[in-house]
Amino acid sequence: EAGVAQSPRYKIIEKRQSVAFWCNPISGHATLYWYQQILGQGPKLLIQFQNNGVVDDSQLPKDRFSAERLKGVDSTLKIQPAKLEDSAVYLCASSLDSGGGRETQYFGPGTRLLVL
Amino acid sequence: AQSVTQLGSHVSVSEGALVLLRCNYSSSVPPYLFWYVQYPNQGLQLLLKYTTGATLVKGINGFEAEFKKSETSFHLTKPSAHMSDAAEYFCAVRPWTDKLIFGTGTRLQVFP
Repeated sequence: EAGVAQSPRYKIIEKRQSVAFWCNPISGHATLYWYQQILGQGPKLLIQFQNNGVVDDSQLPKDRFSAERLKGVDSTLKIQPAKLEDSAVYLCASSLDSGGGRETQYFGPGTRLLVL
Repeated sequence: AQSVTQLGSHVSVSEGALVLLRCNYSSSVPPYLFWYVQYPNQGLQLLLKYTTGATLVKGINGFEAEFKKSETSFHLTKPSAHMSDAAEYFCAVRPWTDKLIFGTGTRLQVFP
């Protein structure tokens, strides 16, 4: 079974530029998550989708971050404009369904973003 | 607010020695508990999880963890460390249907 795919793996941009990340979850997984992992910290949830709908975006900086999940499959996360503090690894994860919290989340390899 | 504390950002052991990675959580109700491992330049992989039932949970690669409600702990252990265990380990808690909350991680080094 193919895992969660993410691209690009690495991205270097200058501050105030825009950037987009792509995620393809495991086939059949209804729930998709985007996490931000700053160096030396654990991942922090940015947004959770259940099929097409947003379940939780309480920690998404909505003035600069946006995300969408078209047709309940692939998802893109965009940052516009980027700030230095956005330098981090952006992880995408998926799970079979929301399952009340006990289900396993499967993580992709992440996109490492450096903002100069 | 829920939180996870991992004691020790770095742990070093010799190959063959016991591995003990500590995790404590704060939660008003017993949550679901997870341990994930992250190898360099890779995503997180689930080692084990506690949802309900037996409090001693066995995972992959010989790891196990015990849920102790009275101590609000979920420490990860492995009887004998292997060089391939060197990685970063994250404890995470998910209070019912709320978001998954990760600790800051513990980097495990294994010396020959």
